[in-house]
Amino acid sequence: KQEVTQIPAALSVPEGENLVLNCSFTDSAIYNLQWFRQDPGKGLTSLLLIQSSQREQTSGRLNASLDKSSGRSTLYIAASQPGDSATYLCAAPDYGGSQGNLIFGKGTKLSVKP
Amino acid sequence: DTAVSQTPKYLVTQMGNDKSIKCEQNLGHDTMYWYKQDSKKFLKIMFSYNNKELIINETVPNRFSPKSPDKAHLNLHINSLELGDSAVYFCASREDGSYEQYFGPGTRLTVT
Repeated sequence: KQEVTQIPAALSVPEGENLVLNCSFTDSAIYNLQWFRQDPGKGLTSLLLIQSSQREQTSGRLNASLDKSSGRSTLYIAASQPGDSATYLCAAPDYGGSQGNLIFGKGTKLSVKP
Repeated sequence: DTAVSQTPKYLVTQMGNDKSIKCEQNLGHDTMYWYKQDSKKFLKIMFSYNNKELIINETVPNRFSPKSPDKAHLNLHINSLELGDSAVYFCASREDGSYEQYFGPGTRLTVT
């Protein structure tokens, strides 16, 4: 059964710094991996979805990479801003994604200080 | 113009009561899900429905039952509520052929 781990659990950085959030998964037979953002008391916002055929996906200052062979994904945030403060969740599908059942990591809580 | 909506946003009720949470998606998606986020913020799948058929049922007590009156709705009924049911419940949807899931804003359930 798929297990997803995220490190670090929390991260505090000064504004303007580039940072990397890490995600690892146990079952590499996945079709995709998805990164979400959750603000306090709010729902989940999809940030990036990487297909298994891709190695990277970019959206603005965000770049997500996927290495199936090592069971790892990273989310790179460039030039961080206080508005980036949120919890970032990584999710990988179970059973190879055929049923779309997402298994979530426990998230990385990011705080960007002005 | 919300894509995935849930009602109510907050629900406070007493132990033993029966309650429902509603979810609607206007995206024309084929599969809908219910997730539970516990007090430690850990998000776990509960159910998914595709074309009115339950295709996933994780280790969830049978006090919880999903009901889908049509493709756009997946409601969650909970009987005999317990303190441990207190959590935030998220609905999500996905289009067949796509892997991306879209989430609703969540319903915070508090059982007293």
